Amino acid sequence: DTAVSQTPKYLVTQMGNDKSIKCEQNLGHDTMYWYKQDSKKFLKIMFSYNNKELIINETVPNRFSPKSPDKAHLNLHINSLELGDSAVYFCASSHRDRENTIYFGEGSWLTVV
Amino acid sequence: AQSVTQLDSQVPVFEEAPVELRCNYSSSVSVYLFWYVQYPNQGLQLLLKYLSGSTLVKGINGFEAEFNKSQTSFHLRKPSVHISDTAEYFCAVSDRGAQKLVFGQGTRLTINP
Repeated sequence: DTAVSQTPKYLVTQMGNDKSIKCEQNLGHDTMYWYKQDSKKFLKIMFSYNNKELIINETVPNRFSPKSPDKAHLNLHINSLELGDSAVYFCASSHRDRENTIYFGEGSWLTVV
Repeated sequence: AQSVTQLDSQVPVFEEAPVELRCNYSSSVSVYLFWYVQYPNQGLQLLLKYLSGSTLVKGINGFEAEFNKSQTSFHLRKPSVHISDTAEYFCAVSDRGAQKLVFGQGTRLTINP
């Protein structure tokens, strides 16, 4: 039983394309996140949603649009992909009123060529 | 604003030797502290966390960490490492109540036979 699952795990696409990464959590958490890990392994938050409401939006280009249809899902859509978007994208979740611990998915390796 | 500094980008160690991975943080408020591990081509796994109480916390795989408020440190230790501990280790901090993790740059632990 994967707690935080994201698909696809690997994605290779051409510049200019539009792509989506899907994320689902079965932990009953009310907050979900997207983090980006760059080529130097540095991890930084992009977005967080609490009960489908956007809470954090960290200076991310508006080509990136998160969508949360319900508490258990947070998808990331990227328009007009650029070479610099190549990275590992991690979905994560937590519960605001319980332990302040964030659990991560396995990551989606995006390569833009 | 919070920040995390992992003082060593790479730590080579012989198998069965002890290891310490250093982490210092800065924050103007009380914090929660975490160590995550990332095995090659995998996601982030929570090793251990400090939320409150005893400053010595034990985690999975024989790791432990000590919270030192006066030194603003949260160093990770293991008394005897195994080849399977080869991975990237990330220290992270969050404000209490603010569900956002700020990560350090990561420390690559390499275990030599």
